[in-house]
Amino acid sequence: QVQLVQSGAEVKKPGSSVKVSCKASGGTFSSYAISWVRQAPGQGLEWMGRIIPILGIANYAQKFQGRVTITADKSTSTAYMELSSLRSEDTAVYYCARDLITFGGVIVISTLFDYWGQGTLVTVSS
Amino acid sequence: QSVLTQPPSVSAAPGQKVTISCSGSSSNIGNNYVSWYQQLPGTAPKLLIYENNKRPSGIPDRFSGSKSGTSATLGITGLQTGDEADYYCGTWDSSLSAGWVFGGGTKLTVL
Repeated sequence: QVQLVQSGAEVKKPGSSVKVSCKASGGTFSSYAISWVRQAPGQGLEWMGRIIPILGIANYAQKFQGRVTITADKSTSTAYMELSSLRSEDTAVYYCARDLITFGGVIVISTLFDYWGQGTLVTVSS
Repeated sequence: QSVLTQPPSVSAAPGQKVTISCSGSSSNIGNNYVSWYQQLPGTAPKLLIYENNKRPSGIPDRFSGSKSGTSATLGITGLQTGDEADYYCGTWDSSLSAGWVFGGGTKLTVL
């Protein structure tokens, strides 16, 4: 069955960067996108962006533009999310999710997240 | 402030029925599929409903979804204590800042 396994918890200093990995198994990696969703303590879900491996394209939520980079290595079926210029408000659990996409003309639309990683806690503290 | 609006909390007794609303606009719910996610305490979200009203394999038919115009609704019948969780709606937003959007989440309490 499909599994997404994320890297372990991280503690980072303000101003630094963090890179979280998400290794997929049991499915066809390039047929889907991988989205990244974060959840601050006691808060709701927040979409950060996605990578579409078959197209080699990443899209980002406006809020994170310029600070987040999402990449994928098709040879290892692994996606990565790097967030820079960390601040205390970035303390959260970061999830990757398999993202079923559909093509609406020139736009690639995400339609659902059917499998999720276990989450990676990133703590930003001085 | 979430793009999609959900009630912060709902509650009902075991065996009863509850509905959770999700309100959006023509750029999101009005023109795209809605999905719903269940998040049990301390766990990752789980897909509950997709394409407005379809259930993935393994999701009991106590859970249902519907959409009308720019709003969607999740229904849960025969409530069980194990249904206590946070529920999130989500969809694609086709506005200038296109991307996925979630509702703020609804905490379901089974009294």
